Amino acid sequence: DAGITQSPRHKVTETGTPVTLRCHQTENHRYMYWYRQDPGHGLRLIHYSYGVKDTDKGEVSDGYSVSRSKTEDFLLTLESATSSQTSVYFCAIRAGDQETQYFGPGTRLLVL
Amino acid sequence: QKEVEQNSGPLSVPEGAIASLNCTYSDRGSQSFFWYRQYSGKSPELIMFIYSNGDKEDGRFTAQLNKASQYVSLLIRDSQPSDSATYLCAVNWYGAQKLVFGQGTRLTINP
Repeated sequence: DAGITQSPRHKVTETGTPVTLRCHQTENHRYMYWYRQDPGHGLRLIHYSYGVKDTDKGEVSDGYSVSRSKTEDFLLTLESATSSQTSVYFCAIRAGDQETQYFGPGTRLLVL
Repeated sequence: QKEVEQNSGPLSVPEGAIASLNCTYSDRGSQSFFWYRQYSGKSPELIMFIYSNGDKEDGRFTAQLNKASQYVSLLIRDSQPSDSATYLCAVNWYGAQKLVFGQGTRLTINP
């Protein structure tokens, strides 16, 4: 499973509240990614990190921020959750040749 | 806009037959190509990657890449009910540091 954990695994929250999702890896990989997955849209990149304190936006970054203060942790924050952010969120790391990515177990988020 | 396209399916194949999944991509600066399998409620898991034109085999799976025609395919031989899942194609472009995923094809293997 590439040593990736995500927490929480399930969360229900209310519109307007901040939410932070955590991705933790144990193998010191440099690159980490946050995706969301919705029916009809596949996997879409939110943000990614290429090192401690080095991050960049993906295709659906509006309403999200990230932080990486340690190699092993990559945090995704929904600054003020909206119902459109109800989704399944996956974290991934890049390892090995050819930019291969491996995914964590996912977090199911429901924003009421 | 770099795009990766897959037929969303569902694709229904009888047990023991060959399942053929296709993926096209829009840009010629691509570097490597990935196939992931995702069971319902689970995370994507890597099946294989390919970066050279031609075929790459791994057990019952064969990836085929044709860069001139901008498509990559995945063949599953002797399909089993346990192969029923959504299959995601992903493409990495030179210098992009990230993958772009297709929407996935839902495959059902009928006993």
